[in-house]
Amino acid sequence: GMPVEQNPPALSLYEGADSGLRCNFSTTMKSVQWFQQNHRGRLITLFYLAQGTKENGRLKSTFNSKERYSTLHIKDAQLEDSGTYFCAAELTGGSNAKLTFGKGTKLSVKS
Amino acid sequence: AQTIHQWPVAEIKAVGSPLSLGCTIKGKSSPNLYWYWQATGGTLQQLFYSITVGQVESVVQLNLSASRPKDDQFILSTEKLLLSHSGFYLCAWSPQLSNERLFFGHGTKLSVL
Repeated sequence: GMPVEQNPPALSLYEGADSGLRCNFSTTMKSVQWFQQNHRGRLITLFYLAQGTKENGRLKSTFNSKERYSTLHIKDAQLEDSGTYFCAAELTGGSNAKLTFGKGTKLSVKS
Repeated sequence: AQTIHQWPVAEIKAVGSPLSLGCTIKGKSSPNLYWYWQATGGTLQQLFYSITVGQVESVVQLNLSASRPKDDQFILSTEKLLLSHSGFYLCAWSPQLSNERLFFGHGTKLSVL
């Protein structure tokens, strides 16, 4: 299968709602990153994790290398959270530079 | 502060014509540099990366080439465009020897007709 499977492909939330995105990996990954892409195509890095959990404001991400998954949790969704979210993982023992991206989750937040 | 600048912002080109996209990073010495490609509505695919001047590694073969003529410059090019080259091209940098954080440029939208 695909090395990085991301779900769901699309998600629609009302403002104030909470939800989560998930990436499953076909093999052990060294690290994972989460990105948000806005409607203009601009990508920003949300999290980099080699293990464990990180939080930043209303966002929280977890990476479990052994169980081969990572999650991104959005709390109290706001309109500006709309966009496409990608996870990307780096293979254990692989090139230090290669990231494999999931197919993305298109998030729409409605008022 | 570091800045990353990509040019052009958008291009419309004919099949078979040449292409050159540029990326410049200011305020950071010896960055890792990357080119990514994104088909319309699709995911990102890493094309090339460079750790140092003059050295470029190819990740995916798409009939494109990349060069790093200066520490702060990364060029993506081809002599003959294909329809399949259409999409969104993103340049990114990360601190030397670390993939920990990627900083992306604004991207170049390429339409090949």
